[in-house]
Amino acid sequence: QVQLQESGPGLVKPSQTLSLTCSISGGSISSGAHYWNWIRQRPGKGLEWIGYIHYSGSTYYNPSLKSRVTISVDMSKSQFSLRLISITAADTAVYYCARSVLYYYYALDVWGRGTTVTVSS
Amino acid sequence: DIQMTQSPSTLSASVGDRVTITCRASQSISSWLAWYQQKPGKAPKLLIYKASTLESGVPSRFSGSGSGTEFTLTISSLQPDDFATYYCQQFSSYWTFGQGTKVEIK
Repeated sequence: QVQLQESGPGLVKPSQTLSLTCSISGGSISSGAHYWNWIRQRPGKGLEWIGYIHYSGSTYYNPSLKSRVTISVDMSKSQFSLRLISITAADTAVYYCARSVLYYYYALDVWGRGTTVTVSS
Repeated sequence: DIQMTQSPSTLSASVGDRVTITCRASQSISSWLAWYQQKPGKAPKLLIYKASTLESGVPSRFSGSGSGTEFTLTISSLQPDDFATYYCQQFSSYWTFGQGTKVEIK
């Protein structure tokens, strides 16, 4: 059974860069049918898709965040990472990593538990 | 961008009720739609993909229908475990979620 686990700092200062990592266990990151996603949820709000990466390195980002986001993959460690630059209080959220499946029409079938990120000086 | 609008935002219902949640897309998304259930403090859980296909292990009281721009999630007989917030998500272009529908106890 595939499991995902987010890790990273819980507190980040404004204007700094947020870096989060998602570790994959129980499955392969290099499956061609899977895409590795980041989603966030601001306090009391709905879900916002940030972007995904395929093991081949192809990426797809939410246009509203594209200028500040980079998602990368480290196949040797079975991890993928999120980098968000120039963060503000509006980036305070629970960040989830999740797997999407090509033959599920890309639906997100496995999720991490989420990690809370607070942006504050 | 494709906007997803769910209705209602909040729904009050009793155990045993039939519940229907609607999700409308601002343009056609064919069947590129999924439904999720989220409980407080937890990650979302996939219920339905490809608009109407039930994810493995999800109770059969959940069903999805629709294509194009209008979709529905139906719970045929609401159970205590079903009180949660439900989200639709489109995968046609720059994936977006609906704003959520909270199903609360009447």
